[in-house]
Amino acid sequence: AQSVSQHNHHVILSEAASLELGCNYSYGGTVNLFWYVQYPGQHLQLLLKYFSGDPLVKGIKGFEAEFIKSKFSFNLRKPSVQWSDTAEYFCAVQEGASKIIFGSGTRLSIRP
Amino acid sequence: SQTIHQWPATLVQPVGSPLSLECTVEGTSNPNLYWYRQAAGRGLQLLFYSVGIGQISSEVPQNLSASRPQDRQFILSSKKLLLSDSGFYLCAWMRGTPYNEQFFGPGTRLTVL
Repeated sequence: AQSVSQHNHHVILSEAASLELGCNYSYGGTVNLFWYVQYPGQHLQLLLKYFSGDPLVKGIKGFEAEFIKSKFSFNLRKPSVQWSDTAEYFCAVQEGASKIIFGSGTRLSIRP
Repeated sequence: SQTIHQWPATLVQPVGSPLSLECTVEGTSNPNLYWYRQAAGRGLQLLFYSVGIGQISSEVPQNLSASRPQDRQFILSSKKLLLSDSGFYLCAWMRGTPYNEQFFGPGTRLTVL
């Protein structure tokens, strides 16, 4: 069965630091990959997604992610974080037409 | 525009009591529907998903069940709640290909005592 691993459970950074959150998945076939974000008190929302093509995808708010097929990874990056990026970040993988599973999430805390 | 509703927002139930959580979607037809449970440190656990009326896929063996009696209605149920059923339950619908984006409801906080 498909699994999604997010090894960083809680990341604490200062403003303007660079960010990289890891995501690895286990499925060997064609996958669609997502990053979702949940700001405090808000619903989960889509940050970015990869279906095919350029493995470097750009999302909202300056986030980007790189799909590396050989490493089964889809890491999220941002060159310079802001206090407003404090949130929980979830990696997700779509298996087949409908099944979407999520990782355990990474809580990001930004020191002002 | 599409909206997704969940109710109740919070629920406190005794162990052994039944459960019924409801999710409805407006503004779209034939959506894929999902039930997840969110627990601290465990992310979103996929419980059930449905691609159409009466079609339910179960991902986690447990004492919960799901039903889809109407196109835009998804119900999560239990005959007898366990303490371990406490958690935050999220319903989601998926905007289909080529978007494949999920939209989440406000959630139901369930506490089993």
